[in-house]
Formats: sequence, C-alpha cells, structure tokens
Amino acid sequence: SQQGEEDPQALSIQEGENATMNCSYKTSINNLQWYRQNSGRGLVHLILIRSNEREKHSGRLRVTLDTSKKSSSLLITASRAADTASYFCATDTTGNKLTFGGGTRVLVKP
Amino acid sequence: DTEVTQTPKHLVMGMTNKKSLKCEQHMGHRAMYWYKQKAKKPPELMFVYSYEKLSINESVPSRFSPECPNSSLLNLHLHALQPEDSALYLCASSQAFSGPYGYTFGSGTRLTVV
Repeated sequence: SQQGEEDPQALSIQEGENATMNCSYKTSINNLQWYRQNSGRGLVHLILIRSNEREKHSGRLRVTLDTSKKSSSLLITASRAADTASYFCATDTTGNKLTFGGGTRVLVKP
Repeated sequence: DTEVTQTPKHLVMGMTNKKSLKCEQHMGHRAMYWYKQKAKKPPELMFVYSYEKLSINESVPSRFSPECPNSSLLNLHLHALQPEDSALYLCASSQAFSGPYGYTFGSGTRLTVV
C-alpha cells in the first residue's frame, strides 16, 4: 500500500526555473528519502532526511521535512533538461523497508 | 564498484515457462530487495533479504520464489506467471537491513508474460 502521496502528479517547467514537489505521508517515520527515475529504469537515490532533521541540501537539491504536518518537499533549483524524470518520495516507517509514494513526473523544457 | 547489476534487461516468457532474474552487487551491502513496478506506478516491495536470510515477504504469490545464494547475489525464480505479472522488476541493496541507509537500485528487468 502507498504511504506517501505526491503533489503535483506532473510538472512542466522551463530550463533555469525551480521545481518544487511535495510529499505527504500518513504514519510516523524514521526517515524520508527522495529518488529519481529516468524513463522507467532504475531509481537513483538523491537525499535522505531523518525524522529529527528539518532541512537538507545536496547540490541543487533542497529537502524540507515537517513531521507535525507529515509532509516533505523537494526543491530543484536552476533546473536543466537532464532533470526530466519521475521523482519519488519514500518513507521508512519500521526501520527496515521503504514504501514509495506515487511520484511526480517532471518535464524540463529547453 | 558502486553498482547493482541486473540480468537480463528484457525477458519475454510464456505462462508455462520457468525463468530466473539475477541481481549482483559487490558493495558489501548486507540487505537486498526485490521491487515490482507497473507502468506509471511506484515500486512495490516484494521481498527483503538480510544477511542472506529472507526477512520480509510482502504476501507475494508462490509463483515468485526468491533465493540469496551468497551476500552478493540475489535471484528471483519465476514459474507459471500470469500476463498481469508483466512489469519492471527492480533489485536494490543497502548497507544494512535496519538503519538510515539509501538504497542502490539496479536498472531493472522488464518482464513480459505472454
């Protein structure tokens, strides 16, 4: 069953713009992770944020976590055509497995 | 080596066939996973192996049979599958079964059951 719901389901932006996507979840988590998937192939781990953290950065990525609202956001700054992909949040609720949200499809137009 | 290697990349099999999917990693990761992903859907967990022992089976039908011969190798044996089992099968590994670790995914096997 799906733990996370992502919003929006699809996003289309111009190169150079920022892309923001949100993830809401239902139960308490140990950590939340974001992954990227290109063209239905393997997923690539982007960033992990623990339940006691509020914000993390990695290059052009910024992730926030609000455990009181059970939500997280992923911001991609200065987007590039190569950022075109599906982005999934995944929650670790039991400490031993990830459950993925529905995903956001991002299209970055050159 | 920071990769998870899955073979084959594509597989077409009949409903009476027996086939196997293979997954290999040499990162010293002690947890390995099988996920199933249908088109435009998120990956769904099937099995988790920790230290070569099956730790989680998400109520997967017995026509899917996992095997972990050693710490680097994970197989998924397929038998008498149905067309609705057609999907992308993803293998992943992580440093350990429990803890804040990201997963490393293979590029998947795209399975078509005819």
